[in-house]
Amino acid sequence: DSGVTQTPKHLITATGQRVTLRCSPRSGDLSVYWYQQSLDQGLQFLIQYYNGEERAKGNILERFSAQQFPDLHSELNLSSLELGDSALYFCASSSLEGLDGYTFGSGTRLTVV
Amino acid sequence: GQNIDQPTEMTATEGAIVQINCTYQTSGFNGLFWYQQHAGEAPTFLSYNVLDGLEEKGRFSSFLSRSKGYSYLLLKELQMKDSASYLCAGGNQGGKLIFGQGTELSVKP
Repeated sequence: DSGVTQTPKHLITATGQRVTLRCSPRSGDLSVYWYQQSLDQGLQFLIQYYNGEERAKGNILERFSAQQFPDLHSELNLSSLELGDSALYFCASSSLEGLDGYTFGSGTRLTVV
Repeated sequence: GQNIDQPTEMTATEGAIVQINCTYQTSGFNGLFWYQQHAGEAPTFLSYNVLDGLEEKGRFSSFLSRSKGYSYLLLKELQMKDSASYLCAGGNQGGKLIFGQGTELSVKP
């Protein structure tokens, strides 16, 4: 157990639907990062939060949004889902602005049918 | 902009040594990370270099040359379980990591 908890582990949904992925960071970590990993693709950075504030944005689609709550857990909302959104979504957390590396959660595998 | 390049795949023999190279161009560079990822699983942290030189951790070592924008991961005494994808990632001052596409390493008996 890495200490980063992601739920659900698997999600199957239809095109056009909306889903919410949840992440609880490792205890003491203030930064949360979301990544998307499609089949045969590298980890694509989506967004970073630090202590409740958005810190950096990557190639995140407008259909996607995220937030970090006062208890530091984070949610990634994906709407108007398309087949191409099928991927593994990883959450990671870090302390000290990432200088000690990330700890990844086990990921949520999203399948859009 | 930020760009990380590494070979797509490599093959090596059990017990041998393999070197996985990575070149990078990142703005606000704040360290070079290596992660291991088995298929369908989360990446796990292997090593981190912020200064030039070699960092050794058991069978794994990582090297960094900031002037050349170059790093490598060295794996010694290869084991079958080392078959995985190895991800090079550049960090910036905000803590964000930009990952390369990963190098798929196959270890054969």
